[in-house]
Amino acid sequence: GENVEQHPSTLSVQEGDSAVIKCTYSDSASNYFPWYKQELGKRPQLIIDIRSNVGEKKDQRIAVTLNKTAKHFSLHITETQPEDSAVYFCAASAHYGGATNKLIFGTGTLLAVQP
Amino acid sequence: ETGVTQTPRHLVMGMTNKKSLKCEQHLGHNAMYWYKQSAKKPLELMFVYSLEERVENNSVPSRFSPECPNSSHLFLHLHTLQPEDSALYLCASSQDPSGANTGELFFGEGSRLTVL
Repeated sequence: GENVEQHPSTLSVQEGDSAVIKCTYSDSASNYFPWYKQELGKRPQLIIDIRSNVGEKKDQRIAVTLNKTAKHFSLHITETQPEDSAVYFCAASAHYGGATNKLIFGTGTLLAVQP
Repeated sequence: ETGVTQTPRHLVMGMTNKKSLKCEQHLGHNAMYWYKQSAKKPLELMFVYSLEERVENNSVPSRFSPECPNSSHLFLHLHTLQPEDSALYLCASSQDPSGANTGELFFGEGSRLTVL
């Protein structure tokens, strides 16, 4: 089955700096890669996602890149702000049709943005 | 209420108790999920229901018993749990991942379970 590894487990940056979180996956059939943000005591929420037919996707200060050959994908946050502090989870799934989305998650990265 | 709501938010139970977690989604989705979140471990998929039928069971111990009476409600019945079952249990829902819809999971706030 799918296995997703995520690094680093913790990341501390100064406000305004960039942050990069990397994930690798094992199942070459995986074709959907979302990133979720979970603030302390809150639910995980989708912040950006990418499908395997695209190499990069950007939404304001966040971007995700995908390298299908190497089976890794990364989250990039530029101009970090204190409100970016949270745990970030990557995930991967292979859509074979049907109504379900069987996401396999990474272990999470605790991002701390120092003011 | 909108989104995905879970009750109770916190639950403390002994190993011999029987309790249930409840999840309700108001998004019109047709799939629901139970995830377990433990410290320093990835979110673990436990059960998946599509159109009220269980389509996935990731080898979860039988002391966890899911129930999906309709597309809006999902329960997790707990019986004879162990202290290592203490965790945050997250419910989620999604719509068909087809076409432009990526099947985004919408999570509830979770039920924090402590087993004594």
